[in-house]
Amino acid sequence: DAGVIQSPRHEVTEMGQEVTLRCKPISGHDYLFWYRQTMMRGLELLIYFNNNVPIDDSGMPEDRFSAKMPNASFSTLKIQPSEPRDSAVYFCASSDRETQYFGPGTRLLVL
Amino acid sequence: AQSVTQPDIHITVSEGASLELRCNYSYGATPYLFWYVQSPGQGLQLLLKYFSGDTLVQGIKGFEAEFKRSQSSFNLRKPSVHWSDAAEYFCAGSLQYGNKLVFGAGTILRVKS
Repeated sequence: DAGVIQSPRHEVTEMGQEVTLRCKPISGHDYLFWYRQTMMRGLELLIYFNNNVPIDDSGMPEDRFSAKMPNASFSTLKIQPSEPRDSAVYFCASSDRETQYFGPGTRLLVL
Repeated sequence: AQSVTQPDIHITVSEGASLELRCNYSYGATPYLFWYVQSPGQGLQLLLKYFSGDTLVQGIKGFEAEFKRSQSSFNLRKPSVHWSDAAEYFCAGSLQYGNKLVFGAGTILRVKS
C-alpha cells in the first residue's frame, strides 16, 4: 500500500488567496483526520471523519476553514481566505480503528 | 480534561548510550497509548502502541515502552541509541480505538557522536 497520500507537499500563497489541501487515505480505512502542526501550538486535531461523515470539527479554527470527504478515497481541507497565521504543516491521517497512519504533510506558507 | 505530557523538550544522548523518553497521561480511564517519531520534514511514523495486556510493549527500530498505571506513565526506551534515531518523538493517547488522539508537545532527541 502506498500509505496516506497528500498533495501538494509544499504550497506558497499570498494572503487572501484560497488554498486547497488534498488527501487520499489508505484503502479500507474508515476514519480520516486532519491535523495542523506549528511550533507554538504543536499538533492540533482540526476535524475527523468516520465513513465520510464529519464527526468532530471542534478543532477547526474559524469559518475560513472547511473540510469535505466526498468519498472514501478523497478528502480536502480548504482555507478561504488564507492568512499568514495559517502557515503550518497540515497532516492527514487515516485509521483502521486501531492506529492512525500519517501522510507526509503539506507545508503551507502564506505571505 | 484529557492530556498527555512530555516533560522534556530536548534530550541529548551519546551514540551507543541508553535512552528513556518520558510520557505521562491524564485520563479518566486507561487510554490507548502510542509513540510516534517524526524526522525533519517527514510525517509521523508509529513506533509502538499499547492497548491492553502485557505492560511492556515492543516496537520497531529496537524501541520499547512500559505502561505503568500507578505512575500514569508510558515511557519510551532504547538500550543503545544510533545517530539515525535523532528526531522528534511524540507520545499520544486516545480513549477509543483509532480516533481523537491527544498528543504531547514532543521531545527532540539529539544524538552526539
